[in-house]
Amino acid sequence: DQQVKQNSPSLSVQEGRISILNCDYTNSMFDYFLWYKKYPAEGPTFLISISSIKDKNEDGRFTVFLNKSAKHLSLHIVPSQPGDSAVYFCAASYSGSARQLTFGSGTQLTVLP
Amino acid sequence: GAGVSQSPSNKVTEKGKDVELRCDPISGHTALYWYRQRLGQGLEFLIYFQGNSAPDKSGLPSDRFSAERTGGSVSTLTIQRTQQEDSAVYLCASKGRVVTGELFFGEGSRLTVL
Repeated sequence: DQQVKQNSPSLSVQEGRISILNCDYTNSMFDYFLWYKKYPAEGPTFLISISSIKDKNEDGRFTVFLNKSAKHLSLHIVPSQPGDSAVYFCAASYSGSARQLTFGSGTQLTVLP
Repeated sequence: GAGVSQSPSNKVTEKGKDVELRCDPISGHTALYWYRQRLGQGLEFLIYFQGNSAPDKSGLPSDRFSAERTGGSVSTLTIQRTQQEDSAVYLCASKGRVVTGELFFGEGSRLTVL
């Protein structure tokens, strides 16, 4: 039973345009959400997070939106750059889980020059 | 180094052999996690260590898998009698004291079981 789902395995966007990566979750106990970026042969690196008490968090070109009623979050990258090409993982946790992260299956983003 | 260090980076073994994977977390980080990523899949939680508490082993897929953390620092993940389905990248991560703090991952150990 996948509690965190990323239904798009891949996404291609043109450089300078907006990239929107989506993530859905089923466990209503999740109260903290994160996005990680992973380059080939490297470990995932933290990108941005959001607590369930917020619906938006922005950090430079990256913004995460949380819609609790829909159990949906999204990552917006504006403007997209070729260096953003990577696999993006959505992750979620809740306070009763010792902050273990449950990860989605990832979305491969390719930013075309 | 300053990051999470894992070894070996690549391991090829024959079915039925035992393997050990090592993780050296960031100095001072009290929490240590093992995840694995099979081809085309997301990261799958295996085990979690927090300080001197008993580890959370709820993610270990079978009793062939075990892990220990000596002295609250270095951790070893052992897979006995490896099977082909054990082939994956095994990722170690550590975290500092902030409750909602993000995990810092190592580069992973790629295990291939022939």
